[in-house]
Amino acid sequence: DQQVKQNSPSLSVQEGRISILNCDYTNSMFDYFLWYKKYPAEGPTFLISISSIKDKNEDGRFTVFLNKSAKHLSLHIVPSQPGDSAVYFCAAGSGTYKYIFGTGTRLKVLA
Amino acid sequence: NAGVTQTPKFQVLKTGQSMTLQCAQDMNHEYMSWYRQDPGMGLRLIHYSVGAGITDQGEVPNGYNVSRSTTEDFPLRLLSAAPSQTSVYFCASSYSGADSDTQYFGPGTRLTVL
Repeated sequence: DQQVKQNSPSLSVQEGRISILNCDYTNSMFDYFLWYKKYPAEGPTFLISISSIKDKNEDGRFTVFLNKSAKHLSLHIVPSQPGDSAVYFCAAGSGTYKYIFGTGTRLKVLA
Repeated sequence: NAGVTQTPKFQVLKTGQSMTLQCAQDMNHEYMSWYRQDPGMGLRLIHYSVGAGITDQGEVPNGYNVSRSTTEDFPLRLLSAAPSQTSVYFCASSYSGADSDTQYFGPGTRLTVL
């Protein structure tokens, strides 16, 4: 039973356009959400996070939106750049030290 | 700062062999964890530690042992490797383990069990 789901395994976007990566969760106890970016042969690196008391958090080209009623979060990248091509994981935590990760979405930004 | 380091980068084992995956961090982080990444499964938590001498199980602990004798090191032991343990293993650390803390990941160990 996957508590955190990323239903799109891959996404292709033209350079300069918006990339939208989606994540759904089932456990209403989750109160902190994170996005990680992973390049091949490297470990994931932290990108952006959001607490359940907020519905939006922005950091440069990256914005995360949280819809608690729908148990849905999304990562927007604007404008997308070829260097953004990577696998993106969303993760959720509930203060128990146990982070649950989604299966990842492979983003390809086309030049 | 080296951050989080993992050794070896690659390893091939035969079924039944034992080995230890090493993980070290030089950031004085209290929280350390081990994940495995399998195709279509994302990262799954194996074991974690909130400080020296304290460890606990994650989602998929069976077949793995851990210990935390120092703040810096968090080795993962496979006592009797099985083909189902073929995976990429990532170690991570953060200051306290709280949700708001950034986790730093090592580069991973790719393990194949024949």
